[in-house]
Amino acid sequence: EVELVESGGDLVQPGRSLRLSCAAFGFTFDDYAMHWVRQVPGKGLEWVSGISWNGGSIGYADSVKGRFTISRDNAKNSLYLQMNSLRVEDMALYFCARGGRQQLVPTLFDHWGQGTLVTVSS
Amino acid sequence: EIVMTQSPAILSVSPGERATLSCRASQIVSTDLAWYQQRPGQAPRLLIYGASTRATGIPVRFSGSGSGTQFTLTISSLQSEDFAVYFCQQYYNWPLAFGGGTKVELK
Repeated sequence: EVELVESGGDLVQPGRSLRLSCAAFGFTFDDYAMHWVRQVPGKGLEWVSGISWNGGSIGYADSVKGRFTISRDNAKNSLYLQMNSLRVEDMALYFCARGGRQQLVPTLFDHWGQGTLVTVSS
Repeated sequence: EIVMTQSPAILSVSPGERATLSCRASQIVSTDLAWYQQRPGQAPRLLIYGASTRATGIPVRFSGSGSGTQFTLTISSLQSEDFAVYFCQQYYNWPLAFGGGTKVELK
């Protein structure tokens, strides 16, 4: 059974950094592109970033470009999101989601984690 | 950038009734359209992809239709577990975009 488990969410001050992690279980991790999607509680969903199976192709939403960095470690079946220069508007529940096979192409998300909450406040 | 618009924002339905949810894309997305269900406190769950194909394990009471810019999700006979928020998402082009959601609530 596919399982995605996020961690690393916390309360941080504006301007500070945070690193999120996502551990993957139940599938061949390096067969898939992976993504981060966020949701302000009670609001809609926003795609944040995606990475191809080998990290060779990466994409970001304009709202986080230059501040966030996505990466993966296939040996550890893990996905990461380094978040720098955090803003109040980055406050959200961050989901790890599985994308398509290998390449980073526009895709649907067939499995999601339960999310990790990032709170940005002074 | 493709903008996805869902209507209505809230749909009040009685158990056993039919629910019809709409999703409109600001540009043509062919049939690269997915629907997700999100119950309170849970992650989204994929219901429909390719505008009309049910994902694995999804009951037949869920059906999707449409192409181009106009899409519909129909729940033929609402069960108690179907009261949730539903999102559409286009995967035709970057950036990937979701609609604002339709909350299906008990009438």
